[in-house]
Amino acid sequence: GAGVSQSPSNKVTEKGKDVELRCDPISGHTALYWYRQSLGQGLEFLIYFQGNSAPDKSGLPSDRFSAERTGGSVSTLTIQRTQQEDSAVYLCASSSSRGGTEAFFGQGTRLTVV
Amino acid sequence: GQQVMQIPQYQHVQEGEDFTTYCNSSTTLSNIQWYKQRPGGHPVFLIQLVKSGEVKKQKRLTFQFGEAKKNSSLHITATQTTDVGTYFCAGRWSGGSNYKLTFGKGTLLTVNP
Repeated sequence: GAGVSQSPSNKVTEKGKDVELRCDPISGHTALYWYRQSLGQGLEFLIYFQGNSAPDKSGLPSDRFSAERTGGSVSTLTIQRTQQEDSAVYLCASSSSRGGTEAFFGQGTRLTVV
Repeated sequence: GQQVMQIPQYQHVQEGEDFTTYCNSSTTLSNIQWYKQRPGGHPVFLIQLVKSGEVKKQKRLTFQFGEAKKNSSLHITATQTTDVGTYFCAGRWSGGSNYKLTFGKGTLLTVNP
């Protein structure tokens, strides 16, 4: 596609439910990032995929969070047993190489846990 | 892990005044990027700095990378209401997963017309 696509754009879920957020990066981009942004706050790094390398999961806040990237393309971020503090905008970004190019962001998924 | 510290957190200016935001790393960066996020939007790439002492300009925006490649700044001359948004720096360090982009907390700029 022309840009990074994220779905859904909005998600309201009940506390304790599991959610899956999807990211379609720009075709051919080897690097993919997930960030979390709470209202009025900065970008909190969650996870980084680069080609076939093991992902950098150092930013995942708890074991309720996991992410996969299938076939080096689409990625899903899964949050199990959601809590109210998980409410935020989840942003996905991709870039075309390992170390030196710009990241293109999707529009984000706004997650609200009620 | 590696971090970039960004200040100030907020800046309110009158239209026409200048604005500067600063980023600092305790260790040498491989490169640094700057992004702008408009209210309600997603971050959009502005520029990348790679070389020690590099200075780049985009119209009223001036970007600098320090000689030691540990700090960077974004300066806006004569702000306009269209400059409103949050400005983020994002750093990369050499080696392994250090290639991931690590963002500063951002500076929220508001401009009073």
